[in-house]
Amino acid sequence: GNSVTQMEGPVTLSEEAFLTINCTYTATGYPSLFWYVQYPGEGLQLLLKATKADDKGSNKGFEATYRKETTSFHLEKGSVQVSDSAVYFCALTLSPGGTSYGKLTFGQGTILTVHP
Amino acid sequence: NAGVTQTPKFRVLKTGQSMTLLCAQDMNHEYMYWYRQDPGMGLRLIHYSVGEGTTAKGEVPDGYNVSRLKKQNFLLGLESAAPSQTSVYFCASSSLAGVLSKETQYFGPGTRLLVL
Repeated sequence: GNSVTQMEGPVTLSEEAFLTINCTYTATGYPSLFWYVQYPGEGLQLLLKATKADDKGSNKGFEATYRKETTSFHLEKGSVQVSDSAVYFCALTLSPGGTSYGKLTFGQGTILTVHP
Repeated sequence: NAGVTQTPKFRVLKTGQSMTLLCAQDMNHEYMYWYRQDPGMGLRLIHYSVGEGTTAKGEVPDGYNVSRLKKQNFLLGLESAAPSQTSVYFCASSSLAGVLSKETQYFGPGTRLLVL
């Protein structure tokens, strides 16, 4: 089946540190890949996406590259801020058909806390 | 344009009580989804709908029922609430074109449910 695995958290960093959150996936087919962010007490927001191999998604200083050879979509940011403290979810979707029906398959989420 | 809205935002139930969560979208989307979010488990699909009058089971459907009588609304029902259904519930929607092109879904703000 399809699955997404994220690095275990929580992750605690100091402001301006470099961030990497690992995400690997297994999928039958060619998925689109997403990173969602959930700030405290809020819903999910799309942070960035990539729809095919070697695509790089970027937004708000965050980046992730779709690596088909390693089935990975790691999230990176060069200098985190306190305001980046949130839960980050990696997810994938496939074309409808079979058991996909357009649903999103999520990783377990990684809690990021950034201290001043 | 409100996007995806959910009511209520928060609810406390006693074991055995019933309730209905309402999801509404104003984007004329064909596909709608109900997910539940639990710590360390990401989001898991409960039920989904590919159009008005149609519903189907997702990964964790037990204890829930759904209805899609109108295209813009997707209701999630708990007939006899159990403490294991304490969770945060998210509704999402997507257009048919979005599903076919493996695009993201649009999420509501979530409903926090506590079953005592």
